[in-house]
Amino acid sequence: KAGVTQTPRYLIKTRGQQVTLSCSPISGHRSVSWYQQTPGQGLQFLFEYFSETQRNKGNFPGRFSGRQFSNSRSEMNVSTLELGDSALYLCASSSSGSSYNEQFFGPGTRLTVL
Amino acid sequence: DAKTTQPTSMDCAEGRAANLPCNHSTISGNEYVYWYRQIHSQGPQYIIHGLKNNETNEMASLIITEDRKSSTLILPHATLRDTAVYYCIVRVGDLNDYKLSFGAGTTVTVRA
Repeated sequence: KAGVTQTPRYLIKTRGQQVTLSCSPISGHRSVSWYQQTPGQGLQFLFEYFSETQRNKGNFPGRFSGRQFSNSRSEMNVSTLELGDSALYLCASSSSGSSYNEQFFGPGTRLTVL
Repeated sequence: DAKTTQPTSMDCAEGRAANLPCNHSTISGNEYVYWYRQIHSQGPQYIIHGLKNNETNEMASLIITEDRKSSTLILPHATLRDTAVYYCIVRVGDLNDYKLSFGAGTTVTVRA
């Protein structure tokens, strides 16, 4: 079974631009969560999608948004990029309706904002 | 809000047990404790999780104190490949409305 894949792996943008990151979960997984990881703040939860609906969200501004498609693939979008958005963005999928189960992480997308 | 704290780093000799503590003293209800680890430049990998009882799987054991204010992850026979950052995460809330409290991670270095 293929693991969680994220594209692109690396991205460089400038302040004010917007960016879209993509995540393909493990086949059959319906829950997809997004996380931001920085040296200063560590791991932080962005949001979770299940069956195309946002089930939960963390404490991030509205510039951060996401969606999930009928095939469970998910995208997250960051508009009006700021220098502080430079981070590793991780996507994780889970097998069942309960996100209490273990999550499988992708390798992440490294976003650099200049 | 729940607060999760871990030591910054620890060393362990290869073949010995590694005991990683996590303090979640603000835990109060049905919060799950999860452990993940992250090897440099990879996504985190699930290790184990528990609610109230001690848990064991092929990777590790999780010991949760009776008052649930702290837990310990035990790697029974550490190998060099266990060198990683280990995260303790507490999940507070129900399926559709939960918060995750992340520890800052413990960098474990296994030495030959």
